[in-house]
Amino acid sequence: QVQLVQSGAEVKKPGASVKVSCMASGYTFTNYHMHWVRQAPGQGLEWMGEINPTGGTTTSAQKFQGRVTMTRDTSTSTVYMELSSLRSEDTAVYYCVRGGYASGSVYWGQGTLVTVSS
Amino acid sequence: EIVLTQSPGTLSLSPGERATLSCRASQSSSSNLAWHQQKPGQAPRLLIYGASSRATGIPDRFSGSGSGTDFTLTISRLEPEDFAVYYCQQYGSSPYTFGQGTKLEIK
Repeated sequence: QVQLVQSGAEVKKPGASVKVSCMASGYTFTNYHMHWVRQAPGQGLEWMGEINPTGGTTTSAQKFQGRVTMTRDTSTSTVYMELSSLRSEDTAVYYCVRGGYASGSVYWGQGTLVTVSS
Repeated sequence: EIVLTQSPGTLSLSPGERATLSCRASQSSSSNLAWHQQKPGQAPRLLIYGASSRATGIPDRFSGSGSGTDFTLTISRLEPEDFAVYYCQQYGSSPYTFGQGTKLEIK
């Protein structure tokens, strides 16, 4: 079965960077794009970007361009999302989401809480 | 970017009743529209894709309809476990935006 296992919670200071990992299993890693979605406390869902694990090409929402870096390691079926220049508004749960929208096979990771506080 | 507007913000109903949730897009997303359900403390899960197709394992009391700019999620007879927050998402063009959510609460 498809599993997406994310790294643990992080506490960071303003101005720092955070790198969240998402290890995939149960399917062919390079067959599906991986998306990143975040959710601030008590708020809705916000799409951040996606990575094509085959070639590593990425697309990100304009809001995050210049601050977000998405990478992948095909040898371990892991994708990474690094967000830099953190501010308090970046406090949120970050989810990796396996694509497959056209076939209805979308899977969510368990989420990683990132807290930005001085 | 495509802006999705969901209504109502909160819907108060009783178990056994019918729920109708709306999602309106600022421009056409064809049928590239998904619905996700999120319960407190959990990750969302996919309910509907392609505007009207149920994801694997989703009960048939959930149905989706619409195309272009107007979409609807209907829950025919509410079960206690259906009370949650529902988000629509378009995946027709990047960025893959979400609506702000509809909270379905027990009346």
